[in-house]
Amino acid sequence: DTAVSQTPKYLVTQMGNDKSIKCEQNLGHDTMYWYKQDSKKFLKIMFSYNNKELIINETVPNRFSPKSPDKAHLNLHINSLELGDSAVYFCASSQDPGHEQFFGPGTRLTVL
Amino acid sequence: ELKVEQNPLFLSMQEGKNYTIYCNYSTTSDRLYWYRQDPGKSLESLFVLLSNGAVKQEGRLMASLDTKARLSTLHITAAVHDLSATYFCAVDITGYALNFGKGTSLLVTP
Repeated sequence: DTAVSQTPKYLVTQMGNDKSIKCEQNLGHDTMYWYKQDSKKFLKIMFSYNNKELIINETVPNRFSPKSPDKAHLNLHINSLELGDSAVYFCASSQDPGHEQFFGPGTRLTVL
Repeated sequence: ELKVEQNPLFLSMQEGKNYTIYCNYSTTSDRLYWYRQDPGKSLESLFVLLSNGAVKQEGRLMASLDTKARLSTLHITAAVHDLSATYFCAVDITGYALNFGKGTSLLVTP
């Protein structure tokens, strides 16, 4: 059973398009996160949600909008995609804030 | 602003040798994590260190935390090829975000 799943695994799109990445966890966790890993493998937090409420929005352009319809899901919508958005996006979850985080398989986004 | 520094960033070592990866961080925290990432894969949790003096071991890897020195180490004993991967340390000071080091790319050669 997959603990944290993401769809799609790969996403190739043109500049200016709008796309979404979906994340689901079946661990019963209350806290979910989005991280961005750039081409140099550097990982940076984008958003944190606890019980469906946004806790952290870490200087991310407002073209990125997370949505948490319930505690098991945290989706990421990106408007007007730019070349610099190309990266691997990881969803993660933890039982509570400050607990061990478990990562999804990642979504590799390529903007052409 | 929290800074997390790992060194070395690249490490090539022979099978059977020992080595240590260092993780320094700039702000007080008692929550430090080590993750492993294989190429094209997700991050796998290796160790969770939650107190000063914490030491954890799994197979050929041992991690420790010194919160006073703001230092964690990941020690590799008698390296084998299967340990080749990128290793990240991450510090949590808010409870809501992991702050990662740049990662150490480890290559174990025969």
